[in-house]
Amino acid sequence: QQPVQSPQAVILREGEDAVINCSSSKALYSVHWYRQKHGEAPVFLMILLKGGEQKGHDKISASFNEKKQQSSLYLTASQLSYSGTYFCGTEKASGTYKYIFGTGTRLKVLA
Amino acid sequence: DTGVSQNPRHKITKRGQNVTFRCDPISEHNRLYWYRQTLGQGPEFLTYFQNEAQLEKSRLLSDRFSAERPKGSFSTLEIQRTEQGDSAMYLCASSRQGRLENEKLFFGSGTQLSVL
Repeated sequence: QQPVQSPQAVILREGEDAVINCSSSKALYSVHWYRQKHGEAPVFLMILLKGGEQKGHDKISASFNEKKQQSSLYLTASQLSYSGTYFCGTEKASGTYKYIFGTGTRLKVLA
Repeated sequence: DTGVSQNPRHKITKRGQNVTFRCDPISEHNRLYWYRQTLGQGPEFLTYFQNEAQLEKSRLLSDRFSAERPKGSFSTLEIQRTEQGDSAMYLCASSRQGRLENEKLFFGSGTQLSVL
């Protein structure tokens, strides 16, 4: 089952913050986050494995809730380079390596 | 790493023709994935190889689709008797088996298929 992302689209001004959610009806084994710019391949951002985990680098961070059914991506003080479509990629069980991607969130950062 | 390479970048074909795409993963990456992506949608899982073994194949994949990875290196995806609904971007990704927290997918630039 495809995880659901929200919001579907968001427009920000430079310096504003955004949160993107990825929800599943069942517990997940892991969550990956990717960003895809128009006409380009998706690029890996981070992976979360443990319930309650939070991690990040620079001004982009993510969390995985305790029940492992929801992950959120946090973009702080957004920059123009953050524009693109964000996807979560989820794995239901360890060792399947069958990553199912979410519905996507289009992010546009304006100057 | 030279990155994941896919050829061709674009393919235009007539309905009913067969097409074949090639993916060269990052060297030493033993896992290889094929995804299909249509405009505005997330990548849709097609199939996955570990070395030369095809371990998972989407039930959405009809028998017109076949993938191979001889010798565990490059992979080919063939679509027989193409239909207009096959028009999409076909993405290949690879990853290296290792610590789970480091097992990320590296995607190629994709092959854009247009079936007329």
